[in-house]
Amino acid sequence: GNSVTQMEGPVTLSEEAFLTINCTYTATGYPSLFWYVQYPGEGLQLLLKATKADDKGSNKGFEATYRKETTSFHLEKGSVQVSDSAVYFCALSSWGAQKLVFGQGTRLTINP
Amino acid sequence: DGGITQSPKYLFRKEGQNVTLSCEQNLNHDAMYWYRQDPGQGLRLIYYSQIVNDFQKGDIAEGYSVSREKKESFPLTVTSAQKNPTAFYLCASSTGLREKLFFGSGTQLSVL
Repeated sequence: GNSVTQMEGPVTLSEEAFLTINCTYTATGYPSLFWYVQYPGEGLQLLLKATKADDKGSNKGFEATYRKETTSFHLEKGSVQVSDSAVYFCALSSWGAQKLVFGQGTRLTINP
Repeated sequence: DGGITQSPKYLFRKEGQNVTLSCEQNLNHDAMYWYRQDPGQGLRLIYYSQIVNDFQKGDIAEGYSVSREKKESFPLTVTSAQKNPTAFYLCASSTGLREKLFFGSGTQLSVL
């Protein structure tokens, strides 16, 4: 079946550090891939998405590239801020599955 | 502004009691979902609905029930059969089953 595996957290970084959160997936067909972000006490918001191989999604300085050969969709940001502290979820949707499948989430804390 | 409203924000359940969580959207979305979030486990799908008067079980439907009598409303009842109901519950909607999800701000349910 379809599944998403994220790097385990929590992840703690200093402000202006480089961020990578790994995400790999297993899916039939050609899934669409997503990163959602959840700020404390809130629901999830879509951060970025990619719908086909080699697509790069980007938003708010975050980027992720759809790598079909390595079945990965790693999230990166060149210089993190305290306001980026949140839980990040990788997710996929594929034809026939009829729903989004989420990873377990990675909690990110940025210290000043 | 369009969006999804969940209420209440906090809810307490007594032993043997059924409780209902409200979810209303004014985005004119056809599809609606209920997810359960437990610490470190990501999101798990409880029920989803593609259209009014129709809904399907997700991965963890036991102990829960839903209705979809109106397009804008998708209430979730946590029944006494759900033995471990303490969790953060998230409602979401989308234009279709594989499209971007819009989330409410969640309801934290606890057992007294």
